Amino acid sequence: DAKTTQPPSMDCAEGRAANLPCNHSTISGNEYVYWYRQIHSQGPQYIIHGLKNNETNEMASLIITEDRKSSTLILPHATLRDTAVYYCIVRVRYSNYQLIWGAGTKLIIKP
Amino acid sequence: EAQVTQNPRYLITVTGKKLTVTCSQNMNHEYMSWYRQDPGLGLRQIYYSMNVEVTDKGDVPEGYKVSRKEKRNFPLILESPSPNQTSLYFCASSNRENTGELFFGEGSRLTVL
Repeated sequence: DAKTTQPPSMDCAEGRAANLPCNHSTISGNEYVYWYRQIHSQGPQYIIHGLKNNETNEMASLIITEDRKSSTLILPHATLRDTAVYYCIVRVRYSNYQLIWGAGTKLIIKP
Repeated sequence: EAQVTQNPRYLITVTGKKLTVTCSQNMNHEYMSWYRQDPGLGLRQIYYSMNVEVTDKGDVPEGYKVSRKEKRNFPLILESPSPNQTSLYFCASSNRENTGELFFGEGSRLTVL
C-alpha cells in the first residue's frame, strides 16, 4: 500500500472551509484514498473515499488531482465539533490488507 | 442504530489475570478487526477476521487471542496480561466488499498494573 504524507497540524476559523491536504505520490492505479477522523480518543470515524473522481457526501468533499498523487479533504463549513485528527489512507478497496494509519493532521477549529 | 459495542470501556487489572474484551456489531458485517492505539505509534492492527471461524494475525498479535464463533461477536482475549498491553483498544467492522470503510467501537481503555 502507498504511503501518505500529511501536515501534522492545521488551524481553521469556525464557519470557514477547512482544506486538509494529503500527498500519496506512489499510489497505484487500483488504490483508493480513504479519509477518517478521530475526535479526542473516540473510535475513528469514516468520512469519505474515492478512486479518481471527486466525491461529496454529507460530511465532506474529496478532491483528487488528475495524476492522483495528492488529494484534499474539504469540510465546507467547519464547526468546533470538527476539531479532530484527520487520517488520509490509501489502500486497495477489495482487500484483506489492513489500513495503515499514519500520524494524521490535527485540525483545530477556532471560534 | 448501526453500532459496534465494546465492553468494558475502562478496566484496570493486574499482571497475569486473564481478561476478555467483548465486541459486538449489529450490521451483519463479515469483516471484524481489533486495533490498539498507543501515543506516538498510531493505530496498529492486532487480529482480524474475514468471516465466522476465519481469523488472522495483524501487526501486533503477540499476547492476544481472538475467536469468531458468531458473525456478530469478535472477543479479544488476553490470557496473561502484562503492563506493555496497557493501551486503548478499538474493535471495528465492515462488509466484505469494502473493508476500507470501517465502523469503530468507542474504545476500551485497559491498564495492566
